[in-house]
Amino acid sequence: QKEVEQNSGPLSVPEGAIASLNCTYSDRGSQSFFWYRQYSGKSPELIMSIYSNGDKEDGRFTAQLNKASQYVSLLIRDSQPSDSATYLCASLWGQNFVFGPGTRLSVLP
Amino acid sequence: DVKVTQSSRYLVKRTGEKVFLECVQDMDHENMFWYRQDPGLGLRLIYFSYDVKMKEKGDIPEGYSVSREKKERFSLILESASTNQTSMYLCAIGRGLEQYFGPGTRLTVT
Repeated sequence: QKEVEQNSGPLSVPEGAIASLNCTYSDRGSQSFFWYRQYSGKSPELIMSIYSNGDKEDGRFTAQLNKASQYVSLLIRDSQPSDSATYLCASLWGQNFVFGPGTRLSVLP
Repeated sequence: DVKVTQSSRYLVKRTGEKVFLECVQDMDHENMFWYRQDPGLGLRLIYFSYDVKMKEKGDIPEGYSVSREKKERFSLILESASTNQTSMYLCAIGRGLEQYFGPGTRLTVT
């Protein structure tokens, strides 16, 4: 069974702090990883993709991948109340995605 | 920009009714997916399709069927709706290695 695990949270951080979201996956064959943001009542929105070990930065977001340890993380710098949402981690296995249950992030003003 | 539309944002149906959920994309993407999302269970794949008239079962196909007669349209069918099919239904398209979701349909079966 291919699984993606995340801490469900809620993770609370003060405005302006760094939010760190973590994800582990079970299948060593997974090569591609994704972070989605989902606001309450809305559909998931793709915010980051990462395919190779190391860091990938996009604005205030940094995705980190460590294939040896089978974990993926998402850092959000200068967190804003508008970042409050559930963040889903996903891995691509073959042509199908495996999604984690999501971590709820709350950024406190 | 990828655009995926779903026929309804909210839908209320009665037990035993046949329900059609439609998903339409405006690009030439082959891969289309139907998921349902429930609290505590996350996103679960129902069916997917890689081309016209082609379909594959996902993790939870029971009680559902799909139709893809045209490349841009992928329909999810609940043959006889039951209360345990009350859920948020999400259509997605695949573009390269990435997947993009439609706005979702919140279906309530009473």
